[in-house]
Amino acid sequence: NAGVTQTPKFQVLKTGQSMTLQCAQDMNHEYMSWYRQDPGMGLRLIHYSVGAGITDQGEVPNGYNVSRSTTEDFPLRLLSAAPSQTSVYFCASRHSGTSVAYEQYFGPGTRLTVT
Amino acid sequence: SQKIEQNSEALNIQEGKTATLTCNYTNYSPAYLQWYRQDPGRGPVFLLLIRENEKEKRKERLKVTFDTTLKQSLFHITASQPADSATYLCALGGAAGNKLTFGGGTRVLVKP
Repeated sequence: NAGVTQTPKFQVLKTGQSMTLQCAQDMNHEYMSWYRQDPGMGLRLIHYSVGAGITDQGEVPNGYNVSRSTTEDFPLRLLSAAPSQTSVYFCASRHSGTSVAYEQYFGPGTRLTVT
Repeated sequence: SQKIEQNSEALNIQEGKTATLTCNYTNYSPAYLQWYRQDPGRGPVFLLLIRENEKEKRKERLKVTFDTTLKQSLFHITASQPADSATYLCALGGAAGNKLTFGGGTRVLVKP
């Protein structure tokens, strides 16, 4: 299994540009999520999905859109990039079910710089 | 608002000693707590889970305690090795389970 994969690894955008960060998992996990990690701030939840066709907002959703058309893929869209979105982005997945305390599997991250 | 605090200062420790990290939280009643390890340039990797009704969990050289009265978890690495050098993150989850809230992490440096 490849686990959780993310592309690209690095990206530089100009303010106002849009782009999509890709995330895929091959573990048949129902739950997928996106986090951003900034120095001293820890990981903050942007959006999450409990299954295909179902998404919900996390702690810091503004400026980001998601969709979940398949179990495997959970792309994150930046509609109009701003310097405040400069960060490292992590995608994660886990099982859901009767126990909500499953471990999360993280991707390798995408380092995004907005100039 | 919910707050999770981990010591932001790096923990420098000699090889063979026990490293102890703390995770304190306020305005939160977690159903469980997880600890992750993160190496530079990589995503976090799950280490241990402890539920609210459990006091202690062990896995090899790792031990986690969870005190819901003190609102604190302690994470111990016994017989530490240079390979244990990394940042360790604690994360809390509620009974609904859809949102995991992370602390800022503590960097550990084990010197040979």
